[in-house]
Amino acid sequence: GAGVSQSPRYKVAKRGQDVALRCDPISGHVSLFWYQQALGQGPEFLTYFQNEAQLDKSGLPSDRFFAERPEGSVSTLKIQRTQQEDSAVYLCASSLASTGRTTDTQYFGPGTRLTVL
Amino acid sequence: SQKIEQNSEALNIQEGKTATLTCNYTNYSPAYLQWYRQDPGRGPVFLLLIRENEKEKRKERLKVTFDTTLKQSLFHITASQPADSATYLCALDTSGGSYIPTFGRGTSLIVHP
Repeated sequence: GAGVSQSPRYKVAKRGQDVALRCDPISGHVSLFWYQQALGQGPEFLTYFQNEAQLDKSGLPSDRFFAERPEGSVSTLKIQRTQQEDSAVYLCASSLASTGRTTDTQYFGPGTRLTVL
Repeated sequence: SQKIEQNSEALNIQEGKTATLTCNYTNYSPAYLQWYRQDPGRGPVFLLLIRENEKEKRKERLKVTFDTTLKQSLFHITASQPADSATYLCALDTSGGSYIPTFGRGTSLIVHP
């Protein structure tokens, strides 16, 4: 594909609902990242995959957040029992890099704006 | 505490002038620093990376400097155009060359025709 795509672009959830956010990385990209961006802030790291392996989930704010990438391509970020503080833009990025210590360019998707009422 | 600081106030300049954005950090020793552009409703787009042993890097109308003594990076856009209006984010590694950059909050640049 031309770039990283994310769906849905906008999601409104009632507090307590579960949501699933999808990321389609650039074909062939090994690394995949999820970030959370609050209004007026920079992106904050949530979790990182290398192929299907979740190598770092240190940024996930609570056990309500879960991410997977079962076949090493598409990834899903799931948030259970959403809270108002979960309202943010969730960004996905992918890179060609296959090693953990590299500065390979990350390509970001447009994000999913989640609003929890 | 560890911080990455970018001016939260928007920078307004006239077309054709040079825009200079600042990124200051404390209590980090980053191996690299990156600059990204972010437009409303879009994800960040990578612009430039500069390593700790590099003082300056250029790409077309962009120039980045990195002063590890002052713990500061300056990002310059020469001959600015209204199309350069966006939010510019700096990001740096916070743990020994990690692939995961830590982002500042960004500075909004508005170039007036």
